[in-house]
Amino acid sequence: QSVLTQPPSASGTPGQRVTLSCSGSSSNIGRDNVNWYQQLPGTAPKLLIYTNNQRPSGVPDRFSGSKSGTSASLAISGLQSEDEADYYCAAWDGTLNGWVFGGGTKLTVL
Amino acid sequence: QVQLQQSGPGLVKPSQTLSLTCAISGDSVSSNSAAWNWIRQSPSRGLEWLGRTYYRSKWYSVYAAFVKSRIIINPDTSKNQFSLQLKSVTPEDTAVYYCARGPAVLDPWGQGILVTVSS
Repeated sequence: QSVLTQPPSASGTPGQRVTLSCSGSSSNIGRDNVNWYQQLPGTAPKLLIYTNNQRPSGVPDRFSGSKSGTSASLAISGLQSEDEADYYCAAWDGTLNGWVFGGGTKLTVL
Repeated sequence: QVQLQQSGPGLVKPSQTLSLTCAISGDSVSSNSAAWNWIRQSPSRGLEWLGRTYYRSKWYSVYAAFVKSRIIINPDTSKNQFSLQLKSVTPEDTAVYYCARGPAVLDPWGQGILVTVSS
């Protein structure tokens, strides 16, 4: 199983705010930054949030990230149908000396 | 704008070597501030980082422990690209393989190539 822990699924209705969680340990999230990716079916992961809470150019401000201790969260406000996708967290692991990922959360917009 | 374009076969026989290439545009494989990664994704194992190569006055390659005995990631400065070789593949190596630029953030990613290991 994945080193970082994410709930396998989440859902919300249009306009709602949803929060996705990512849990790690002192060797990854606890000591390094967290990045979040959005993956649409059949496409490569797209960077959504980097360095815990920074948005790349072009990413709507409806997406926000936070980190506390060994956990991180991705919040999506004003949920839209186009937000239906898989979301992954990632962090560098200092013990494994490599990138580790969460198992992904499949977000459904009802 | 950095772009990564992957190429390579989509079918590899068991026990053979999987070989993929990632061509870089908008950056240099020899950059002193970048690192060039390979990651794979399968339904059963999720996203797995395989390793990276980077240049800091000399070339370094770092590999994930679970593939360290079977993997080689090499830069090709003449073509501004880098490659992945995974030896002695089994059906467990069937996955979508991605390349990505680092080091602090994996971005951008290549388009991905589905590699199936089957006879």
